[in-house]
Amino acid sequence: ETGVTQSPTHLIKTRGQQVTLRCSSQSGHNTVSWYQQALGQGPQFIFQYYREEENGRGNFPPRFSGLQFPNYSSELNVNALELDDSALYLCASSWNKNEQFFGPGTRLTVL
Amino acid sequence: SQQGEEDPQALSIQEGENATMNCSYKTSINNLQWYRQNSGRGLVHLILIRSNEREKHSGRLRVTLDTSKKSSSLLITASRAADTASYFCATDSWGGANSKLTFGKGITLSVRP
Repeated sequence: ETGVTQSPTHLIKTRGQQVTLRCSSQSGHNTVSWYQQALGQGPQFIFQYYREEENGRGNFPPRFSGLQFPNYSSELNVNALELDDSALYLCASSWNKNEQFFGPGTRLTVL
Repeated sequence: SQQGEEDPQALSIQEGENATMNCSYKTSINNLQWYRQNSGRGLVHLILIRSNEREKHSGRLRVTLDTSKKSSSLLITASRAADTASYFCATDSWGGANSKLTFGKGITLSVRP
């Protein structure tokens, strides 16, 4: 157990809808990174938040957005869902952007 | 895009045998990390090796890094059925202030009892 929690565990949405995924970082951690893992693939970096500011973004369109709150928890928002957005979404927390500890993930299915 | 490529893609061994997994990457790195994932769940951090290190041990794990060949290997000794999982190498080209991980596609390890 890393102390990083994510909600919900599973989610089913339809194309065009919007979704919000949540992550609570491990106590004492101020950095949250989000990853998308498609079936049979390795995780791909979406973006990272450090002290409530975006600190780097991967190759994902603007309809993927995020927030980090003063308590360092974070949200990932995806608008206009597409079938290819179906994946396991992982968040990882760290202290000052060092070693990352992953949560259990949210499994998103887009129909 | 994925930086690391693990080899082999799948490995099946008998309990008690050693498992060796390899990872190659393309660009220079600050550090390389190995993770384990059970049944599509969260990633468990196994070991981190920095670019100025050549070998590191942690329990039954041994990791080597050859920056001249841009490759790393993970050795699990005396494997157990509980080691059955997917293993990923992840490279961090920046470290510190701009740390982000780039993962390979993973290796599926099956350990037969």
